[in-house]
Amino acid sequence: DIQLTQSPSFLSASVGDGVTITCRASQGINTYLAWYQQKPGKAPNLLIYAASTLQSGVPSRFSGSGSGTEFTLTISSLQPEDFATYYCQQLNTYPTFGGGTKVEIK
Amino acid sequence: QLQLQESGPGLVKPSETLSLTCTVSGGSISSSSYFWAWIRQPPGKGLEWIGSIYYSGNTYYNPSLKSRVTVSVDTSKNQFSLRLSSVTAADTAVYYCARRERWAKHYHYWGLGTLVTVSS
Repeated sequence: DIQLTQSPSFLSASVGDGVTITCRASQGINTYLAWYQQKPGKAPNLLIYAASTLQSGVPSRFSGSGSGTEFTLTISSLQPEDFATYYCQQLNTYPTFGGGTKVEIK
Repeated sequence: QLQLQESGPGLVKPSETLSLTCTVSGGSISSSSYFWAWIRQPPGKGLEWIGSIYYSGNTYYNPSLKSRVTVSVDTSKNQFSLRLSSVTAADTAVYYCARRERWAKHYHYWGLGTLVTVSS
């Protein structure tokens, strides 16, 4: 199975900061990577798919890039509603998720 | 607007079988365009895909759970179901149902999730 390793696992930042989260795959997955945002007690919410395609309705401050084994999610200017946990997910043979990155207010 | 709703017992005894149903509204489970999935999340931990089913009944399971998992579909009720046998405390989690387009590698629609606790 394909393992996804997210870094950092925890990130402390201020409103207005730009942040980047990395997701590394244990083998190449082309651009078959998605990013989700999850808030406490809620289901994950799709942000980006195919590594860099922004889901409809998601603010443009979110962006994704990468291919093969290394991917990034960037939030250009953190807003109060962006403090949450972020997961990457791939589907090659079967779906797997990264361990998550919790973004907290500094 | 598509909606997915999980239902089932919130408490299951160890060694018994966990059974959940996902009711789909606002769309047909019989469409050839979608896969339907179960995904779980232990408290305070990450997400784990359990298995998926296509409207035809073809199933796909996480190798780590395959021996204990059955996913089935009931097109007449627009529902699909999960059965997980021989549960232990490690199966305590929020269980989500979700949908992805056949061509896609991501899950667009998710249910709200239901917490299942395994305890005697």
